[in-house]
Amino acid sequence: KNQVEQSPQSLIILEGKNCTLQCNYTVSPFSNLRWYKQDTGRGPVSLTIMTFSENTKSNGRYTATLDADTKQSSLHITASQLSDSASYICVVPPGAGSYQLTFGKGTKLSVIP
Amino acid sequence: DSGVTQTPKHLITATGQRVTLRCSPRSGDLSVYWYQQSLDQGLQFLIHYYNGEERAKGNILERFSAQQFPDLHSELNLSSLELGDSALYFCASSVDPGGSSYEQYFGPGTRLTVT
Repeated sequence: KNQVEQSPQSLIILEGKNCTLQCNYTVSPFSNLRWYKQDTGRGPVSLTIMTFSENTKSNGRYTATLDADTKQSSLHITASQLSDSASYICVVPPGAGSYQLTFGKGTKLSVIP
Repeated sequence: DSGVTQTPKHLITATGQRVTLRCSPRSGDLSVYWYQQSLDQGLQFLIHYYNGEERAKGNILERFSAQQFPDLHSELNLSSLELGDSALYFCASSVDPGGSSYEQYFGPGTRLTVT
């Protein structure tokens, strides 16, 4: 069964600190892995899309890693800001031709002053 | 701003009624996707249209229907509304006909409250 699991479910960190969010998946065949940021009540915003051959991809203070062998990905946030408070969702669409994205609840990050 | 627009932003209606949600994709995008997000849940894929044709259906109820018009805007029709239909409804668009490596850009959503 294709599954995506994220940890932790929620996280509270102090402003300025770093944090790492985890995503484990069993989706097969693998096409790509996406990280989205969703502010409460707003639409998801893409942070990065990683394909099989990519190990690391950065987008500003966000760095995603992918280990296709262990089927794990992580999202590292550097020097957190209050505006980073949001849900971070890992999405792994099944197969090369699938465009049906399934969103879990993700990790809810709270950055406090 | 993703370039995807949705109207209305908020909608309050009674059970049993019918509503229409509207979405305009980004300029040049041919695909439109609809998602439903209930309170504290992840987004659930409803339906996908590409250039006016239905491409895929997800967990969309029979009471719900959608279409994409020649100008590429899309409408999601919800009928015989129930309390459980209260949710955020998001529209997304992408340029591709279904290649999963392409980005989907999400609109701001329509918050539907059924009383």
